Amino acid sequence: EAGVAQSPRYKIIEKRQSVAFWCNPISGHATLYWYQQILGQGPKLLIQFQNNGVVDDSQLPKDRFSAERLKGVDSTLKIQPAKLEDSAVYLCASSPRFMNSGGTDTQYFGPGTRLTVL
Amino acid sequence: GENVEQHPSTLSVQEGDSAVIKCTYSDSASNYFPWYKQELGKRPQLIIDIRSNVGEKKDQRIAVTLNKTAKHFSLHITETQPEDSAVYFCAAYSGGSNYKLTFGKGTLLTVNP
Repeated sequence: EAGVAQSPRYKIIEKRQSVAFWCNPISGHATLYWYQQILGQGPKLLIQFQNNGVVDDSQLPKDRFSAERLKGVDSTLKIQPAKLEDSAVYLCASSPRFMNSGGTDTQYFGPGTRLTVL
Repeated sequence: GENVEQHPSTLSVQEGDSAVIKCTYSDSASNYFPWYKQELGKRPQLIIDIRSNVGEKKDQRIAVTLNKTAKHFSLHITETQPEDSAVYFCAAYSGGSNYKLTFGKGTLLTVNP
């Protein structure tokens, strides 16, 4: 079974520039998550999609971050404009679960994109 | 929202010794507790999980215990090996409509040969 794919793996940008990350979840997984992992901390959920709908974006800084999952499969996360404090690893994860379906909760993570903002 | 506290932040043991990492959570509705291992520069990998209707689960050298009354759960690694060295994260899965996973801050485990 292919895992969660992410690209690029590394990105270095200047502050105030824009950047986009791409994620392709495991085939058939309904739920997709974007996490931000700052060095030395645990992953923090930014946004959660159920198919192509957003179910939780309470911790997404909406003035600069946006995400979409238009066809309910792959997803993009964008930062515009970037700030120094956005330097982190951005992890994508997916799980089979449908809300209230009783499916598995297990989340499978991609390799992440390491963003450095100078 | 859910808050997960994890201790210790660093743990150093000799090869062959046991290691214990403890976590507490705040949301009594949380019902699923996974543990992830993250090696340097790599993705978090699920190593074991436990659901709220179970008190203990074992998988070879790894075990997890859950005390719902006290709202804490622990990871136990026996007969540690150098390849167990990594950062370990606990997490709690909140109930309700969103099923959000909240992570602890991680424990850096070093197993000295």
